[in-house]
Amino acid sequence: GAVVSQHPSWVICKSGTSVKIECRSLDFQATTMFWYRQFPKQSLMLMATSNEGSKATYEQGVEKDKFLINHASLTLSTLTVTSAHPEDSSFYICSARDHGTSRYEQYFGPGTRLTVT
Amino acid sequence: AQKVTQAQTEISVVEKEDVTLDCVYETRDTTYYLFWYKQPPSGELVFLIRRNSFDEQNEISGRYSWNFQKSTSSFNFTITASQVVDSAVYFCALASGYSTLTFGKGTMLLVSP
Repeated sequence: GAVVSQHPSWVICKSGTSVKIECRSLDFQATTMFWYRQFPKQSLMLMATSNEGSKATYEQGVEKDKFLINHASLTLSTLTVTSAHPEDSSFYICSARDHGTSRYEQYFGPGTRLTVT
Repeated sequence: AQKVTQAQTEISVVEKEDVTLDCVYETRDTTYYLFWYKQPPSGELVFLIRRNSFDEQNEISGRYSWNFQKSTSSFNFTITASQVVDSAVYFCALASGYSTLTFGKGTMLLVSP
């Protein structure tokens, strides 16, 4: 089956620093990748949608200058949290859509737990 | 706009009990997909099932079964003879039209021995 990996699985950083999270589709080409954020005891909230080779589309209320998304290849998307603050501490999950399958199908990564101290 | 409602925030059962998790959805599209995911404490989403709007057949997979009823816009999930390992948060989700996946708020299931 389609596998999506994320790295790192968890990260602790100091307030004011930036952290990069990678999302890779391991055995398929992902023309579209999605980034979600999940706070404790809450649901997944879509942050942005990225298409390979073009700028990401951000959901309302998500600061694009703070959450930089790059989707430079069909197998890799990165999310950089710039100048992180404690309120950015959350569980970040990416998903990827297989180029050749239904637009409704998404494969999820295992998530990255970010803690900002 | 599309919406998914999981009215049950938390359910507690004792092992071997049957439990049903409710999911009600809203969409104006005639073509759509419904999903159920399990999120154990580790956080990784586990895909359980996908159902398209044209297939109203109920499905059974081991101890899991799903009841899809378009007339009531519901896609309920039943676990038979629950086990401690079933303890997790369960999400119902909807994808339709050009909208991305919309998740319900989730139902936390706690199965005690």
